[in-house]
Amino acid sequence: ETGVTQTPRHLVMGMTNKKSLKCEQHLGHNAMYWYKQSAKKPLELMFVYSLEERVENNSVPSRFSPECPNSSHLFLHLHTLQPEDSALYLCASSLSGTGLTEAFFGQGTRLTVV
Amino acid sequence: SQQGEEDPQALSIQEGENATMNCSYKTSINNLQWYRQNSGRGLVHLILIRSNEREKHSGRLRVTLDTSKKSSSLLITASRAADTASYFCALIMNSGGYQKVTFGIGTKLQVIP
Repeated sequence: ETGVTQTPRHLVMGMTNKKSLKCEQHLGHNAMYWYKQSAKKPLELMFVYSLEERVENNSVPSRFSPECPNSSHLFLHLHTLQPEDSALYLCASSLSGTGLTEAFFGQGTRLTVV
Repeated sequence: SQQGEEDPQALSIQEGENATMNCSYKTSINNLQWYRQNSGRGLVHLILIRSNEREKHSGRLRVTLDTSKKSSSLLITASRAADTASYFCALIMNSGGYQKVTFGIGTKLQVIP
C-alpha cells in the first residue's frame, strides 16, 4: 500500500462511452501525475499537476481530459477513446519542487477499449 | 531524449546469483531513482541516488551513478525468486518548480528458483 489509490482497477469501455479514472492520495503531496503504460513502451508521462495547476501536458489527445479539483484528488476523464488507448494508466504523487523525493504510484487502472 | 534506457531489456538468472541492470541517459538530471514493478501493478520506489553521489546501498541493492558517463547501474545481490519483476530507472529533473519524472522501458528480471 503506497498511499495512492486508483479506482477502478479494471475498466472496459466502448469507443462511444464516457468514463473517468480517479486517483486519491492523502500523503500531503502537492504534485500529481498521470502516466500511460503500454506493452513494450516506456511509461509515457501524460499530465503533471503542481499545486493543483496543470504544468505539463505532453501532447496528449483531447479525448483525455484531466482534472485536479484539490491537491488530494486527480481525475482523468475519457471520451471517444480508440482501441490503441488500451493500456495501464498509472497515477503518481510527490512533493513538488524538491527533486529529492520519490514518486508514489497507485496500482493502476487497466483500461480496455473495445 | 529525456528518458533513461535500461539494459538489458530482459535478464534471466538462477536464485542466489547477482543481477545487474544498467541505465543510460542523455540529459542533465537532479537525481536518479530505481523502481520495481510486479506484473500489472504500480511501481514501487527502491532507491534514490543524488547527482553528487557515486554509490548507494540499501539491503541487497547497490546503485552506482556516473554522471560523466551518464549511466547508472542497479545490482541485486543473492537474488530470490521474489525479485522477479520489471525494474525501471527514473530520471528526475526540476522543471519550472515541479519535479518531472521520466522512465525508460525497463529491464524484465526473472529469477529461477
